Amino acid sequence: EIVLTQSPGTLSLSPGERATLSCRASQSVSSSYLAWFQQRPGQAPRLLISAASNRATGIPDRFSGSGSGTDFTLTISRLEPEDFAVYYCHQYGSSPRTFGQGTKLEIK
Amino acid sequence: QVQLQESGPGLVKPSETLSLTCAVSGYSITSGYYWGWIRQPPGKGLEWIGSIYYTGNIFYNPSLKSRVSMSVDTSNNRFSLRLSSVTAADTAVYYCARPIAPSGGADYWGQGTLVTVSS
Repeated sequence: EIVLTQSPGTLSLSPGERATLSCRASQSVSSSYLAWFQQRPGQAPRLLISAASNRATGIPDRFSGSGSGTDFTLTISRLEPEDFAVYYCHQYGSSPRTFGQGTKLEIK
Repeated sequence: QVQLQESGPGLVKPSETLSLTCAVSGYSITSGYYWGWIRQPPGKGLEWIGSIYYTGNIFYNPSLKSRVSMSVDTSNNRFSLRLSSVTAADTAVYYCARPIAPSGGADYWGQGTLVTVSS
């Protein structure tokens, strides 16, 4: 099983700032099948990024993903108020699929 | 538009079996893709339970494999989850989904249903 470790656990920033979230895998993620989800309270997760760097339909271009192998990054270039939420990375290249434990992005 | 809706009891007694169904509309489950279940204990992260193809091919999370079973009802375009011998640790919001696939395509999620295990 691939273990995904996200850091930091909590990130405190202000609107307009840049956010950098990290996801490290315990072994190489097959074909960069790594996704990022955003989850707001009381809502289902929302796909932001697939295949490490492909923005999902309707996702603003301030969200970008990068990385390969075992190290992946989600960057939000300029934080908007609605971006404060919990973010999860997810690998879907190996069974069982796994999720990181989440990074909470909170308003400073 | 693809929509998924979970249904089932919101309260299950310890040691009993949790049963949920996911009704799919806007897409035939026999047209392809795996269909899956994910859960989230209150205040915690996401856990992959497993996924099923309409032909019956299944992947289970090994941590739950001894207690979980999934099935597909192609006639009614829905799929189901059963989790046996539940304990309080199985209390969670359960989501059904057409999860993101290596082959591409959008993902779709149900709104989630809270299942509480308590006597």
